[in-house]
Amino acid sequence: KAGVTQTPRYLIKTRGQQVTLSCSPISGHRSVSWYQQTPGQGLQFLFEYFSETQRNKGNFPGRFSGRQFSNSRSEMNVSTLELGDSALYLCASSQEPGLAGGVTFFGPGTRLTVL
Amino acid sequence: ELKVEQNPLFLSMQEGKNYTIYCNYSTTSDRLYWYRQDPGKSLESLFVLLSNGAVKQEGRLMASLDTKARLSTLHITAAVHDLSATYFCAVDRSGSGGGADGLTFGKGTHLIIQP
Repeated sequence: KAGVTQTPRYLIKTRGQQVTLSCSPISGHRSVSWYQQTPGQGLQFLFEYFSETQRNKGNFPGRFSGRQFSNSRSEMNVSTLELGDSALYLCASSQEPGLAGGVTFFGPGTRLTVL
Repeated sequence: ELKVEQNPLFLSMQEGKNYTIYCNYSTTSDRLYWYRQDPGKSLESLFVLLSNGAVKQEGRLMASLDTKARLSTLHITAAVHDLSATYFCAVDRSGSGGGADGLTFGKGTHLIIQP
């Protein structure tokens, strides 16, 4: 069974630009979450999607948004990029939200660098 | 607000020694994860602990959960160099309702095992 896949793996952008990251969950998994990892703040929850609906959102500005498609694939978008958005963005999938959803598995991440 | 604290944050040890990483959390937990992260890589799920007194072992690693003390431990027995990595604990409260915000991670324990 293929794992969680994320594209692209690396991105370099400049301040003010926007970026879209993509995530394909494990086959059969319908819940997708996004996390930001930085050296200073560690791993922080961005949002969770299930059945094309955002269930939860972390404490991030509105520049961070996402969506989920009917095939469970998800995208996240960051507009008006700032230097502080440089991070590893991790996508995670589980069968469904909540305890019945089983183990949460993480993708390889997208390394975003904002210049 | 859920807080997850790991200690130590940095650990340098010699091969063959035993050591324990501690993970304290501030509210009730539905599920507790231990993940491993190698430099530049994603998170690899090591253990999922569900109930009080749960103990799981894989090779030289053993994890336990005490929900009454809100404490989980990751014990390393006879450490080998290949176990060098950063270890994260993460608390999942998705079963507790109230719009739980994904996984809440500790800051990670950077483990270096020297020959």
